Amino acid sequence: DIQMTQSPSSLSASVGDRVTITCRASQSISSYLNWYQQKPGKAPKLLIYAASSLQSGVPSRFSGSGSGTDFTLTISSLQPEDFAAYYCQQSYSNPRAFGQGTKVEIK
Amino acid sequence: EVQLVESGGGLVQPGRSLRLSCTASGFTFGDYAVNWVRQAPGKGLEWVGFIRKKGHGGTTEYAASVQGRFTISREDSKSIAYLQMNSLKTEDTAVYFCTREGYNYGYHFDYWGQGTLVTVSS
Repeated sequence: DIQMTQSPSSLSASVGDRVTITCRASQSISSYLNWYQQKPGKAPKLLIYAASSLQSGVPSRFSGSGSGTDFTLTISSLQPEDFAAYYCQQSYSNPRAFGQGTKVEIK
Repeated sequence: EVQLVESGGGLVQPGRSLRLSCTASGFTFGDYAVNWVRQAPGKGLEWVGFIRKKGHGGTTEYAASVQGRFTISREDSKSIAYLQMNSLKTEDTAVYFCTREGYNYGYHFDYWGQGTLVTVSS
């Protein structure tokens, strides 16, 4: 099974900061990597699919990059509504594992 | 508007069974695979399993943690997917989400239900 490891597990940042979250797969998954955002008490929301494609309706301050085993999610200028948990997920093979999550908190 | 609505959650004793439903609307249900994802209180997301669309065989895959205990099925005429959970354990306590699986250069979960809470406790 492919394991997904995110870092950091949590971070504190201020509005306007550039934020980067990394996700590493235990073996190559090409570009089969998705990113989700989850706010407390809500269902997750798809942000990025296929490593770098922005889901319709998602603000352009979110971007994704990477291929193979190393991936990043970048928020170019953090907004108040971006404080949430973020999860990566591989869709290369079953089981479709998620990373453990990164919680973005207000500094 | 695409919508997924889970139902059937509640309090159940260990060893007992429960069936969750996922009712879809706003799209042609039979054209999509459906995944189930769960989240234990205060924890991260865990993929549970999925069912392919009939055109891809309608077959299922499961996480090792639920293999042999959980069964996913679908009733395309009613736009409903089911998660039958047997031999429940306390560690199955979680919010259960159903998701629509989209495809565009890879699979992804493009729509999610609001979730239904399952509590396994004596």
